Amino acid sequence: KAGVTQTPRYLIKTRGQQVTLSCSPISGHRSVSWYQQTPGQGLQFLFEYFSETQRNKGNFPGRFSGRQFSNSRSEMNVSTLELGDSALYLCASSLRISGGSETQYFGPGTRLLVL
Amino acid sequence: AQSVAQPEDQVNVAEGNPLTVKCTYSVSGNPYLFWYVQYPNRGLQFLLKYITGDNLVKGSYGFEAEFNKSQTSFHLKKPSALVSDSALYFCAVRDMRRSASKIIFGSGTRLSIRP
Repeated sequence: KAGVTQTPRYLIKTRGQQVTLSCSPISGHRSVSWYQQTPGQGLQFLFEYFSETQRNKGNFPGRFSGRQFSNSRSEMNVSTLELGDSALYLCASSLRISGGSETQYFGPGTRLLVL
Repeated sequence: AQSVAQPEDQVNVAEGNPLTVKCTYSVSGNPYLFWYVQYPNRGLQFLLKYITGDNLVKGSYGFEAEFNKSQTSFHLKKPSALVSDSALYFCAVRDMRRSASKIIFGSGTRLSIRP
């Protein structure tokens, strides 16, 4: 079974631009979560989607948004990019909504550099 | 509020020696606890999780972790380290009482195994 895939793997943008990242979960998984990983802040939860609905949200500004499609694929959008948005963005999928003992499986990430 | 702490930024061990990566947690109720490993330029890989029952949990690549409720710890261990174990390790916790609670990751511990 194929793992979680993320595209693109690397991205360079300039301040003020917007970016869209894509995540395809493991086949059959219906939950997709997004995380931001930076050296200073570590791994921070952005949001989770399940059955095309946002079920949980982290403490990020409204510039960060996402959506999930009927095939469970998810996109994350960041508008008006800032230098501090440079990070590795990780997507994780799970069979069910990621509560309790549910295990999340991570993709390789998209490394975003904002200049 | 839930939290997880990894008190050591880096752990250095000689190949063949036992290794321990420490993790302590804080949740309101009982915890679900996870360990993930991250290799360079890769996403997180699931190692093991504690749900309930036996305090000693066995996982992938020969790793195991011991749940200690009185010390609120979930240390990762391996009897004999390999150079290939060198990576970044994350402990994570989720509150068992809240079905849709977010998973909280520790800051990570870089494990370095010298030949």
